Amino acid sequence: GESVGLHLPTLSVQEGDNSIINCAYSNSASDYFIWYKQESGKGPQFIIDIRSNMDKRQGQRVTVLLNKTVKHLSLQIAATQPGDSAVYFCAETYNDYKLSFGAGTTVTVRA
Amino acid sequence: DGGITQSPKYLFRKEGQNVTLSCEQNLNHDAMYWYRQDPGQGLRLIYYSQIVNDFQKGDIAEGYSVSREKKESFPLTVTSAQKNPTAFYLCASSEWEGPNEQFFGPGTRLTVL
Repeated sequence: GESVGLHLPTLSVQEGDNSIINCAYSNSASDYFIWYKQESGKGPQFIIDIRSNMDKRQGQRVTVLLNKTVKHLSLQIAATQPGDSAVYFCAETYNDYKLSFGAGTTVTVRA
Repeated sequence: DGGITQSPKYLFRKEGQNVTLSCEQNLNHDAMYWYRQDPGQGLRLIYYSQIVNDFQKGDIAEGYSVSREKKESFPLTVTSAQKNPTAFYLCASSEWEGPNEQFFGPGTRLTVL
């Protein structure tokens, strides 16, 4: 499953498939980006981060891609599992370290 | 165990009352933050503090106040001047030399009756 466009609030994906969550950021001066996962009624949990001097970074089952030319960030989740169902937020920051959060994408994993 | 604690988890208050939300961290982080989250929306920054006895307004500071008397603690007071205080409040902390990941607490859900 894949979310496209400036903001797609929901993404439904089949268990075992790969997920791609997209995020368009606003500030070309942003130099640090984070993806967070938030389960219902809980605080956001760090997934992965990337600095502006990188294009790609990989973690366990997750990959973040940064395209500074079009100010676009994506999170890829491999072999999506039921526990991946949550709201995913991208956040950006520049210079003063304050994070600016996107509105989030709700991912639902179908069994 | 290192982490951030927020209390209480649920809080109810009558209109016109001030209420204080607690946030404590034992991560030895210099910076602490308060965010507000409304249903279906992202996080908006209320206040942040880089160091003890210093704090700055975020994007939506009106109707809120904070203090930072200790490194570990950053309480948020929601005053009666806040027009629409019902929301989910999240506290976070980070290293200041950054930018760096912010670690979040479990949140406090405030409901104004």
